[in-house]
Amino acid sequence: KQEVTQIPAALSVPEGENLVLNCSFTDSAIYNLQWFRQDPGKGLTSLLLIQSSQREQTSGRLNASLDKSSGRSTLYIAASQPGDSATYLCAFNNAGNMLTFGGGTRLMVKP
Amino acid sequence: NAGVTQTPKFRVLKTGQSMTLLCAQDMNHEYMYWYRQDPGMGLRLIHYSVGEGTTAKGEVPDGYNVSRLKKQNFLLGLESAAPSQTSVYFCASSYSIIGGWTYNEQFFGPGTRLTVL
Repeated sequence: KQEVTQIPAALSVPEGENLVLNCSFTDSAIYNLQWFRQDPGKGLTSLLLIQSSQREQTSGRLNASLDKSSGRSTLYIAASQPGDSATYLCAFNNAGNMLTFGGGTRLMVKP
Repeated sequence: NAGVTQTPKFRVLKTGQSMTLLCAQDMNHEYMYWYRQDPGMGLRLIHYSVGEGTTAKGEVPDGYNVSRLKKQNFLLGLESAAPSQTSVYFCASSYSIIGGWTYNEQFFGPGTRLTVL
């Protein structure tokens, strides 16, 4: 069974810093992975999807990478802003229909 | 496009009561899902549907039933609510698989916060 771990569980940084969120998984037979953002009391917003054959995807200040051999994905946020404060979730699709989620990283960017 | 919408947004039930959560999507997606989110447990799949008239069990299906009578709607039912079903429920949808599951990006609704007393 796929297990997904996100480290750190919480992170507080000053505005402007570049930061990396980590996600590790145990089963490398994945179809794709998604990174989501969740604001308090809100739903999940899809940020990036990386297909199993890809190594990375970029959207604006966000860059996500995938290394299946090491069982890791990272989300890089450049020049962080207070508006980036949220919980970030990674999720792996390795059973066709089901996403397996990590526990999330709660990010606080201080002005 | 409204995307994925859920009703109601909040609900309080007493133990043993029943209710139905409605999910609607206007993206013509084939696949729809129901998840629950609990502190310390993350998001877990309850049931899913790969098309109109079809449903299947996910990771935590006990105590729930679903129906997909129309392509755009996916209903989640609780026949006899229990305190353990207190949670935030999210619906999601994704488009048809073209080229395999690698393209299956899921889009989520805003959630329904359910409390069972």
